[in-house]
Amino acid sequence: QQQVKQSPQSLIVQKGGISIINCAYENTAFDYFPWYQQFPGKGPALLIAIRPDVSEKKEGRFTISFNKSAKQFSLHIMDSQPGDSATYFCAASRMDSSYKLIFGSGTRLLVRP
Amino acid sequence: ETGVTQTPRHLVMGMTNKKSLKCEQHLGHNAMYWYKQSAKKPLELMFVYSLEERVENNSVPSRFSPECPNSSHLFLHLHTLQPEDSALYLCASSQLGGNTIYFGEGSWLTVV
Repeated sequence: QQQVKQSPQSLIVQKGGISIINCAYENTAFDYFPWYQQFPGKGPALLIAIRPDVSEKKEGRFTISFNKSAKQFSLHIMDSQPGDSATYFCAASRMDSSYKLIFGSGTRLLVRP
Repeated sequence: ETGVTQTPRHLVMGMTNKKSLKCEQHLGHNAMYWYKQSAKKPLELMFVYSLEERVENNSVPSRFSPECPNSSHLFLHLHTLQPEDSALYLCASSQLGGNTIYFGEGSWLTVV
């Protein structure tokens, strides 16, 4: 019940295309859903996060869509750029114990020029 | 420039060696973490320190020994490791009650 399942494992997108990464969780007590971005040789960094009281959050080209009833959330990268090539991790936790972030297995995104 | 600094960035050690990884955070946070990142388990929480007290130990073998002397520093002492312990070890910090965890760039460990 603590798992966060992420797919796909890897993704190749042409420049200008839309990248979509999906995650599913089991614990209905989770109420904080961040996405982290990791470039090679760097640690993960927070990209965008959502709470379940909204169904969508957009920051620039990055959008999180959240489906509470299906216990799923996804990251959409519009107009994907080669500089977006990185590994993306979804995560989930309870707000009152946010240090117990449960991470997905990661998606390696390659955006071709 | 990252607010969480880890040293060394790369470490090669034999199975009988004793070494330590060091982490320092410059963000004024009061919680610190050790994560292990490998191909098999991409981001695996090992230890959590809150206000310098260990609050989480995720069934980590005793050959890994954490130490948090103050809220800005965190160590991971390593001894008699196994080759399967080779991985990227990430230190992180956050503010208690906050949601964002800030990671360092990691220490690449190879056990030979």
